[in-house]
Amino acid sequence: ETGVTQTPRHLVMGMTNKKSLKCEQHLGHNAMYWYKQSAKKPLELMFVYNFKEQTENNSVPSRFSPECPNSSHLFLHLHTLQPEDSALYLCASSQDLRRYSGNTIYFGEGSWLTVV
Amino acid sequence: EDKVVQSPLSLVVHEGDTVTLNCSYEVTNFRSLLWYKQEKKAPTFLFMLTSSGIEKKSGRLSSILDKKELFSILNITATQTGDSAVYLCAVEAGSGGSNYKLTFGKGTLLTVNP
Repeated sequence: ETGVTQTPRHLVMGMTNKKSLKCEQHLGHNAMYWYKQSAKKPLELMFVYNFKEQTENNSVPSRFSPECPNSSHLFLHLHTLQPEDSALYLCASSQDLRRYSGNTIYFGEGSWLTVV
Repeated sequence: EDKVVQSPLSLVVHEGDTVTLNCSYEVTNFRSLLWYKQEKKAPTFLFMLTSSGIEKKSGRLSSILDKKELFSILNITATQTGDSAVYLCAVEAGSGGSNYKLTFGKGTLLTVNP
């Protein structure tokens, strides 16, 4: 139990579906992240939110739409995905983005997404 | 572009062996290097290293950073089957504020056979 909870753990969706991934952290952190983990590739940062404001969009296609209503919750809305989007999507949080914080990121267990 | 390279990509050993995992990096404005263990679920934090030459130790695991040669190693002694996992190296870099960035390597898949 890392203090970061993701739901659903597994999701299978068609290319025309709309679904959402949810992340909740109970650590009192202010920064939250979405990462994509594909087979045999490094973890890829998708989005960063700090105090509910998006600070980074790592050239992610618009079919992925993040939402951060407060510092404890982060969503990833999915629409018209492609089979190559199938991957493990990891949510993470950290105290904040301050340069001297020696940030340590805590990960959720991930949502396994399969696009058919 | 920041780069983190781990080697080997995979490793198979027998219980009781000692292993050394490598992580080299090229980043701008290095802040820290982190090691994670991932066993088919959330990566779990192992170590954070910020200073050269100071070994961090936790049980049978230890790690050290060389900021001059830009690498870190993770040692596991007397390996057990429960050590089987992907070990991820990540480097935190940036000039602060929204420029903070964490770059991951591809990971090393360690398999420990009984």
